[in-house]
Amino acid sequence: DIQMTQSPPFVSASVGDSVTITCRASQGITDWLAWYQHKQGKAPKLLIFAASTLQSGVPSRFSGTGSGTDFTLTITRLQPEDSATYYCQQGYTFPGGFTFGPGTKVDVK
Amino acid sequence: QVQLQESGPGLVRPSETLSLECSVSGSSLSNDYYWGWIRQPPGKGLQWIGNIYHSGTTYYNPSLKSRLTMSVDTSRNHFSLQLDSVTAADTAVYYCARLIYTGYGKRCFDYWGQGALVTVSS
Repeated sequence: DIQMTQSPPFVSASVGDSVTITCRASQGITDWLAWYQHKQGKAPKLLIFAASTLQSGVPSRFSGTGSGTDFTLTITRLQPEDSATYYCQQGYTFPGGFTFGPGTKVDVK
Repeated sequence: QVQLQESGPGLVRPSETLSLECSVSGSSLSNDYYWGWIRQPPGKGLQWIGNIYHSGTTYYNPSLKSRLTMSVDTSRNHFSLQLDSVTAADTAVYYCARLIYTGYGKRCFDYWGQGALVTVSS
């Protein structure tokens, strides 16, 4: 199994700030990595796939980088609506064996 | 517009079977997608449960495989989840989702249902 880790588990920032979340895979996954935003009581929302490609309709304040085992999600110009938990997910083992990271909760004050 | 909707009992007794259906509109199950189930236990993160193709081919999380059955009904455009011998640890919000895999880098869930809370309790 490929294990995914994320850091930090929690981050608090102010409106207008930038935050960077790190996701690490236990083995190389090339760029088969997606990022999701999940708000309480809502369906998770796909933000980024292929490590750095923005899903249609997602603001350009969100960006992703990385390849192999280390990946980052950066949110610039934070808005109150960005408060959510963010998860990475590897798709290297498609069509099965998917794994999610443990999540990073972002609180925008 | 693609929409998914989970349905099923919100309360299941321990040792019984948890059954959920996911109704899909705006996208045919027979098209070139996989369909998946993901759950979120209270206070925890997302856990992948399994994926199914319209042919009925399934891929399960190894930790659930012995208790899990997924099926697809293309005539009704829905797919289902059955989890046997449930315990309190199976209490979670269960999501169904569309897995897109055609196109560069696309092995991810692009549309999700709103989620269904299933509580395992006597």
